[in-house]
Amino acid sequence: DQQVKQNSPSLSVQEGRISILNCDYTNSMFDYFLWYKKYPAEGPTFLISISSIKDKNEDGRFTVFLNKSAKHLSLHIVPSQPGDSAVYFCAATHGRPGGTSYGKLTFGQGTILTVHP
Amino acid sequence: DGGITQSPKYLFRKEGQNVTLSCEQNLNHDAMYWYRQDPGQGLRLIYYSQIVNDFQKGDIAEGYSVSREKKESFPLTVTSAQKNPTAFYLCASSMTGYSTDTQYFGPGTRLTVL
Repeated sequence: DQQVKQNSPSLSVQEGRISILNCDYTNSMFDYFLWYKKYPAEGPTFLISISSIKDKNEDGRFTVFLNKSAKHLSLHIVPSQPGDSAVYFCAATHGRPGGTSYGKLTFGQGTILTVHP
Repeated sequence: DGGITQSPKYLFRKEGQNVTLSCEQNLNHDAMYWYRQDPGQGLRLIYYSQIVNDFQKGDIAEGYSVSREKKESFPLTVTSAQKNPTAFYLCASSMTGYSTDTQYFGPGTRLTVL
């Protein structure tokens, strides 16, 4: 049962334009969401996160939007740069201490972003 | 220079052999994690440890074992019971086991079982 889904395996964007990566989740217990970026043969690096008490979080060129009613989040990159070309993973968790899932991240399948010069 | 190290980067083993993947961190983090990545799939949690001498099974623990005798180290053994061990293995750590703590990942070990 895939609780976090990234339905687009790949996305191709022109340099300078907006990249929008999407993520859907099914578990209503999730209340904290993250995006990680991964280059080939390297470990993922944290990009940006959002708590369920917010619907938007911004960090420089990166903005994450959360629509709780739709169980959907998206990552916007503006403007896109060739160095942004990587695999982007969406992840979700819930912050209730003491449970068996405490601190556990559930990842989506990833979306390969290619930014063309 | 703080971080997480995983060695080796590439590992080849014959079918039926146990193999241990190393993970060390000098970030003074309490929690450590092992994930597996397969092509076209997200990272799946194998085991995690929130404190020394304690660890919990993740979603796909069958065929794997871990130990956490030291805060800095969380080795993963892939046993012969793991039916499909060829994969990219990632170790991560976070300051505590709390869900909003950022998890920092090592560079990964690609294991190929021949």
